[in-house]
Amino acid sequence: RKEVEQDPGPFNVPEGATVAFNCTYSNSASQSFFWYRQDCRKEPKLLMSVYSSGNEDGRFTAQLNRASQYISLLIRDSKLSDSATYLCVVISGNTGKLIFGQGTTLQVKP
Amino acid sequence: EAGVTQSPTHLIKTRGQQATLRCSPISGHTSVYWYQQALGLGLQFLLWYDEGEERNRGNFPPRFSGRQFPNYSSELNVNALELEDSALYLCASSDRTRGSYNEQFFGPGTRLTVL
Repeated sequence: RKEVEQDPGPFNVPEGATVAFNCTYSNSASQSFFWYRQDCRKEPKLLMSVYSSGNEDGRFTAQLNRASQYISLLIRDSKLSDSATYLCVVISGNTGKLIFGQGTTLQVKP
Repeated sequence: EAGVTQSPTHLIKTRGQQATLRCSPISGHTSVYWYQQALGLGLQFLLWYDEGEERNRGNFPPRFSGRQFPNYSSELNVNALELEDSALYLCASSDRTRGSYNEQFFGPGTRLTVL
């Protein structure tokens, strides 16, 4: 079983739609959680950290459920520029090692 | 604020040669991380350096090695190159003096092609 699992998609949605991605992780000792965004052939860019209390940044909302070991990302009012691969990322303890999910591809259509 | 920089952008080598990739972290960041992203595969952790020392290593053979210099820049060396080493090599840095020290910021990568 992979340490971090995501539905690879693709998710094809119209502009203005709300879309949600989920991610599960297997190591209950995981301590830090993030969503990164990666455009084709580019480096991953940090989208947001994910906290137990949940956090929101504009149109993006991230939630963490430690009991069920899953993380979610909600994108409201999708824009064409949101088209990218969204990576769920976990760190366990003080390893320094980011563990990436395989990514979920989002295509926002006009 | 300048981001993480990497050089070269592209590198072409032949089997058996050695490759050296370089990374400069964001100013003030002391930790540097290396990742490999092979075509069609996810990002795999290679190495973590902090304050000049290797702190953690991923599941890669010893021919992948590196170091961190006093100015916190870093070098990744890959010896005895094999065809499957062809990949995008990404460097990231983080500021371990802050509470959110695990947030890592990536450079644009070096695309290594082994022929």
